[in-house]
Amino acid sequence: ELKVEQNPLFLSMQEGKNYTIYCNYSTTSDRLYWYRQDPGKSLESLFVLLSNGAVKQEGRLMASLDTKARLSTLHITAAVHDLSATYFCAVDIRYGNNRLAFGKGNQVVVIP
Amino acid sequence: DTEVTQTPKHLVMGMTNKKSLKCEQHMGHRAMYWYKQKAKKPPELMFVYSYEKLSINESVPSRFSPECPNSSLLNLHLHALQPEDSALYLCASSQIRDKAFFGQGTRLTVV
Repeated sequence: ELKVEQNPLFLSMQEGKNYTIYCNYSTTSDRLYWYRQDPGKSLESLFVLLSNGAVKQEGRLMASLDTKARLSTLHITAAVHDLSATYFCAVDIRYGNNRLAFGKGNQVVVIP
Repeated sequence: DTEVTQTPKHLVMGMTNKKSLKCEQHMGHRAMYWYKQKAKKPPELMFVYSYEKLSINESVPSRFSPECPNSSLLNLHLHALQPEDSALYLCASSQIRDKAFFGQGTRLTVV
């Protein structure tokens, strides 16, 4: 059974500091997605990581993928309040069928 | 246009009612999805349509019936729902094996 584990599930961040959140998955996959969700809102796509060693950056967020370790990280640089949200990673578990398995999410709160 | 539009935004229905959720996209995406999300939980995949054909049904009860009339539209027909079906229902679309764009969701309450 596929498991997608994110940790920590809850993280309180101080503004201006750097943090990393993690996504582990238990089966082979060739792509991994990161999404953001604000409370009561829908999901916003952040990154698609397609290959081992892939790194994508957007603003203060940087995502990377290690397919051998089955690990993706989302690094937050100089956290700001606007980054408070729940971050989900999702793994494509059936080739060619867009069947995604989501982790439980990392709930991030950035405090002054 | 990079939007997925869902209607209605909110829906309250009784257990004997029949209602439909609607989803529309004009990005030329060939895959469309229905997800169910409970509070503080990740989205759970319900159905996937690829090229207007149902490709995945995640063992969803028959009281939920999806329909894809054309490549831009996706419906979810609801009948005889239970209170535990109350949730946020999210529609999404994507190119095959690409990132998904999500609609704003329909918040469904079954009374």
